[in-house]
Amino acid sequence: DQQVKQNSPSLSVQEGRISILNCDYTNSMFDYFLWYKKYPAEGPTFLISISSIKDKNEDGRFTVFLNKSAKHLSLHIVPSQPGDSAVYFCAASEYGGATNKLIFGTGTLLAVQP
Amino acid sequence: NAGVTQTPKFQVLKTGQSMTLQCAQDMNHEYMSWYRQDPGMGLRLIHYSVGAGITDQGEVPNGYNVSRSTTEDFPLRLLSAAPSQTSVYFCASSSTSGRFETQYFGPGTRLLVL
Repeated sequence: DQQVKQNSPSLSVQEGRISILNCDYTNSMFDYFLWYKKYPAEGPTFLISISSIKDKNEDGRFTVFLNKSAKHLSLHIVPSQPGDSAVYFCAASEYGGATNKLIFGTGTLLAVQP
Repeated sequence: NAGVTQTPKFQVLKTGQSMTLQCAQDMNHEYMSWYRQDPGMGLRLIHYSVGAGITDQGEVPNGYNVSRSTTEDFPLRLLSAAPSQTSVYFCASSSTSGRFETQYFGPGTRLLVL
């Protein structure tokens, strides 16, 4: 059973517009969430994270929102750039668990059109 | 620092053959993990380690063995390869300096089992 779900396999956005990537989770023990970005033939790289004690975290063009009651988080990229084209993975860590025991979603392929 | 290195980059095996995927990191990280990435399945945790001599199972451990005799190395062994193990394998490491420390991924090993 998939504990972390990314229901949109792909998303296409125009350069300069906002990209919104969504992620849902089912395990109420998750208390820390991360977004990773992955280019083809490379390993994933960390993008941004959020603790369950917050509902928003910002880092430059990237903002992550967390809605604990809905068990939903989203990643906003504003403005989107062609270099943002990649697969984005949402991941979660369980409270009290090892910090390297991450559960990943299936990924969303973002294509930013020039 | 080379970061996280993985060898080989690509490997073809026949069903029933054994092999070891190598992973090494030079960042003195205590935590190391192995993931596999399959289309439509995202990244799934195979095994992880929180220090030398300590390993534990992730989501999909069957068919894989690990050991952690040094801080630097975390090899993944396939004792009898099966076509279902065709995948891209990623190793990751992280330090224990903070609760929310992120993981650094290697470039991946692409494995094809015929």
